[in-house]
Amino acid sequence: SQQGEEDPQALSIQEGENATMNCSYKTSINNLQWYRQNSGRGLVHLILIRSNEREKHSGRLRVTLDTSKKSSSLLITASRAADTASYFCATVVSNAGKSTFGDGTTLTVKP
Amino acid sequence: DAGVTQSPTHLIKTRGQQVTLRCSPKSGHDTVSWYQQALGQGPQFIFQYYEEEERQRGNFPDRFSGHQFPNYSSELNVNALLLGDSALYLCASSPGGYRANTGELFFGEGSRLTVL
Repeated sequence: SQQGEEDPQALSIQEGENATMNCSYKTSINNLQWYRQNSGRGLVHLILIRSNEREKHSGRLRVTLDTSKKSSSLLITASRAADTASYFCATVVSNAGKSTFGDGTTLTVKP
Repeated sequence: DAGVTQSPTHLIKTRGQQVTLRCSPKSGHDTVSWYQQALGQGPQFIFQYYEEEERQRGNFPDRFSGHQFPNYSSELNVNALLLGDSALYLCASSPGGYRANTGELFFGEGSRLTVL
């Protein structure tokens, strides 16, 4: 069964708008990560947030983590057409644990 | 600095055949994980190798097996292929030994397997 589930499954916005996607998970975690995948390509690591952190920033990316609700969100500000991709959250339950992925959010940014 | 490399990039097999996929991890990385990604879904964990041993395994049958070599490169073998094995197979590497592994993975571009 999937540990993480992203919401929405698909998101379409105009260039310049912000994109928010959410991830919910089922068990306590060590950390949560977000990855990006361009169509049919490998995944690229975007950002990692540990269970004792609530918010992290990296460039135009902002990630929040609410361990009480077992949820995380990824915000992409001022989106660009080049941000069009699938975005996956992955959870790690313990050090040395496997990363468990959800089924992703497909983001389309229209120029 | 070469990233994770996988070969072949695409291959077509028929049901019942066997396939071997190869992965070279990013320089300095000693842990290799394999994932299967069906179309429209997220990657599913197959297994993880460290120090030439399988350390963790996902919910995949014994038809899926692997190996890690002393230079940290790895192979994924799938026997008795089924139509449902058609997928993108992703290799990911990470540094520091699996006990210190934060989970941050560096992925290759994948091997696209089609089973007819």
